[in-house]
Amino acid sequence: EAGVAQSPRYKIIEKRQSVAFWCNPISGHATLYWYQQILGQGPKLLIQFQNNGVVDDSQLPKDRFSAERLKGVDSTLKIQPAKLEDSAVYLCASSPGTGAYEQYFGPGTRLTVT
Amino acid sequence: AQSVTQPDIHITVSEGASLELRCNYSYGATPYLFWYVQSPGQGLQLLLKYFSGDTLVQGIKGFEAEFKRSQSSFNLRKPSVHWSDAAEYFCAVGTTDSWGKLQFGAGTQVVVTP
Repeated sequence: EAGVAQSPRYKIIEKRQSVAFWCNPISGHATLYWYQQILGQGPKLLIQFQNNGVVDDSQLPKDRFSAERLKGVDSTLKIQPAKLEDSAVYLCASSPGTGAYEQYFGPGTRLTVT
Repeated sequence: AQSVTQPDIHITVSEGASLELRCNYSYGATPYLFWYVQSPGQGLQLLLKYFSGDTLVQGIKGFEAEFKRSQSSFNLRKPSVHWSDAAEYFCAVGTTDSWGKLQFGAGTQVVVTP
């Protein structure tokens, strides 16, 4: 079974530029999560999708971050414009549903904003 | 407020020695608990999980954890550490009413010395 795929693995941009991250979850997983992991901290949930609907985006800075999950499969997370404090690893995870399931994580995208 | 605490930021252990990582949580609802491990540049890998039933759970790589409701703890243990166990370990907690959302602790960095 293929795992969660993410691209790119690394990205360096200047502040005020825009960037997009892509995630392909495990086949058949209805729930998809985007996390932000700042160096030295645990992952923090940004947004949770159930199929193509948003379940929770309360921690997403909506003035600059956006995410979509078209057709309930792949997802894209965008930052526009980026700030220095957005430097972090962005992790995508998926699970079969919204109940008591384990989450399967992708390798992450390391973003550096200069 | 709901919280997950990993009191030890950093632990150094000798190869072959035992390891115990602490995790405490504060949740009103019935929790379900996970331990994940993250190697440098990698995503998170599930070590073990507790949903219900036997409070001593076995995981991969020789790890086990014990759920103690009275102490609100879910400590991770390994009897004999290998050099390959050097990594960062995260405790995560969800509840039956959280729609699958997990809250992660800040992590414990484990260093293994020869």
